[in-house]
Amino acid sequence: QKEVEQNSGPLSVPEGAIASLNCTYSDRGSQSFFWYRQYSGKSPELIMFIYSNGDKEDGRFTAQLNKASQYVSLLIRDSQPSDSATYLCADYGGATNKLIFGTGTLLAVQP
Amino acid sequence: DAEITQSPRHKITETGRQVTLACHQTWNHNNMFWYRQDLGHGLRLIHYSYGVQDTNKGEVSDGYSVSRSNTEDLPLTLESAASSQTSVYFCASSEGNSPLHFGNGTRLTVT
Repeated sequence: QKEVEQNSGPLSVPEGAIASLNCTYSDRGSQSFFWYRQYSGKSPELIMFIYSNGDKEDGRFTAQLNKASQYVSLLIRDSQPSDSATYLCADYGGATNKLIFGTGTLLAVQP
Repeated sequence: DAEITQSPRHKITETGRQVTLACHQTWNHNNMFWYRQDLGHGLRLIHYSYGVQDTNKGEVSDGYSVSRSNTEDLPLTLESAASSQTSVYFCASSEGNSPLHFGNGTRLTVT
């Protein structure tokens, strides 16, 4: 069973809309969660991390964590064409202490 | 500025040859990781190290080996390259369970 699940997409949203990216995880012991953005042909770059239940906001980005439902999401407000990329969700497994990635969701923001 | 450097950026090799991919970080991080990235599979962990002389197998370690003789370097060796090992390889480092810093990747083609 895959430990971190993401819809591969593509998720297409119009410019200016809110993009909602979702991720579920299987390890109830997981403590910390990360969202990375990866442009085609480039290495992943960190957008946000979240440790506690609830919301964490940073500019146009909001990460949401619900440990009871084992669910993590990333909201991108006022989406721009430059946000078009693959978004990777990752968690540090509570039992494994390794960063495990989902397969990523491709986001396409249409001008 | 601290950084993590992978070399070479591109490599073409023949089936059966031994190949070593280099990873050097100047963050002074204890944790170092090797991932491979393939379409449809996302980032999969090959090997990782939590410090000098420490190495551990990840989820796709068959056919790969690593050694950690100092803090800065974690070379990845393909003992006998196979076509199935054609991929993009990323090295990363971190301290504790802080976010990973990624290198720029090595694109390996095995013919």
